[in-house]
Amino acid sequence: DAKTTQPNSMESNEEEPVHLPCNHSTISGTDYIHWYRQLPSQGPEYVIHGLTSNVNNRMASLAIAEDRKSSTLILHRATLRDAAVYYCILRRETGANNLFFGTGTRLTVIP
Amino acid sequence: GAVVSQHPSWVICKSGTSVKIECRSLDFQATTMFWYRQFPKQSLMLMATSNEGSKATYEQGVEKDKFLINHASLTLSTLTVTSAHPEDSSFYICSARKRFGPGYNEQFFGPGTRLTVL
Repeated sequence: DAKTTQPNSMESNEEEPVHLPCNHSTISGTDYIHWYRQLPSQGPEYVIHGLTSNVNNRMASLAIAEDRKSSTLILHRATLRDAAVYYCILRRETGANNLFFGTGTRLTVIP
Repeated sequence: GAVVSQHPSWVICKSGTSVKIECRSLDFQATTMFWYRQFPKQSLMLMATSNEGSKATYEQGVEKDKFLINHASLTLSTLTVTSAHPEDSSFYICSARKRFGPGYNEQFFGPGTRLTVL
């Protein structure tokens, strides 16, 4: 299974943008890049996903490198409610469609 | 849409007893449901994958006789922890993959069940 590498933790000031990086140098052509986040004592919440092009939704933006070996989740204005563990996951389109969670990045938002 | 519920949200049981956890997709049909386990300060670990009407596929190292999974319908999967012991205490999370419609092929997660075995 393709592996992702993320920093263990990051901090951001409230109301400022946050860029959460993810490296996935072994990504294959059919792997989608997914981001989930998990608040304390809750199940993971879907944030965004993409294949090749940058993606925007109401929660965040996803910037994907041209060679697809890295991506960045962008929270445009961090709020205290964005404090969570953010997981970058590669999902293969075919097969069992399992998501294998790495260690994730723990985001702390400073008021 | 795409809401997944789990019941109970937390449970405390005595060592040696069995505990059943339900996972339901409330507003969609799920082709596949997944069960994860998460220990404190750790990431989620996939335990098993279950398809409606067929036997679950367990990840390496997960005892299928201890963690019984039943997926009787397109909206319900159950995980039974048999003869639970304190080391089984964990946060159990299920997810469901949509059969069709918006969000098809994505996994939607339940809120988790906190199991404490005394």
